[in-house]
Amino acid sequence: NAGVTQTPKFRILKIGQSMTLQCAQDMNHNYMYWYRQDPGMGLKLIYYSVGAGITDKGEVPNGYNVSRSTTEDFPLRLELAAPSQTSVYFCASSYHVGGAGELFFGEGSRLTVL
Amino acid sequence: AQKITQTQPGMFVQEKEAVTLDCTYDTSDPSYGLFWYKQPSSGEMIFLIYQGSYDQQNATEGRYSLNFQKARKSANLVISASQLGDSAMYFCAMREDNYGQNFVFGPGTRLSVLP
Repeated sequence: NAGVTQTPKFRILKIGQSMTLQCAQDMNHNYMYWYRQDPGMGLKLIYYSVGAGITDKGEVPNGYNVSRSTTEDFPLRLELAAPSQTSVYFCASSYHVGGAGELFFGEGSRLTVL
Repeated sequence: AQKITQTQPGMFVQEKEAVTLDCTYDTSDPSYGLFWYKQPSSGEMIFLIYQGSYDQQNATEGRYSLNFQKARKSANLVISASQLGDSAMYFCAMREDNYGQNFVFGPGTRLSVLP
């Protein structure tokens, strides 16, 4: 049982480049989330999804896009990378039925934009 | 508006003593969940404890307990018998059940356990 898998773990981008952070979960969770964590700071919600085909903006969505075509996958697209997007990105999932519905996190993806 | 407030950027505690990490929250949703996560220096996020808004009793998980004061909108984490391995960042988080399952985090408190 892999849980939440994020790829890549590390990436360096040049300003203006685009990339996709992949996130997959094998727990059949309906909810999935993308966060960014700047050094020494808390987690800021970028986008989230309550099920396949449904996505919604979080606190800091500008410069990002998401899609949720399947229950398992929730990729995060960065268009026209900027230095301000240098951060650690966490994907998380949860199943909120009859329990706490805590978030299960991936290991994080460290992105540097130069 | 800030939904989760953690007013203690850093805390120190002596090994084997208890420590309380503060968290206040703001929501008008009657149904919500409150969570605490630990982030050690290695970077992973570790779930510690959960409190539902309708739960009558304070949650406990081993050495962790949550002091839930609903009227004051506070959900403080109490760690008993601190260990050196408890040194980490601690985040309070809230999920609003009727507002799109938004799951937001506070800025965190860095706890340092002294030998």
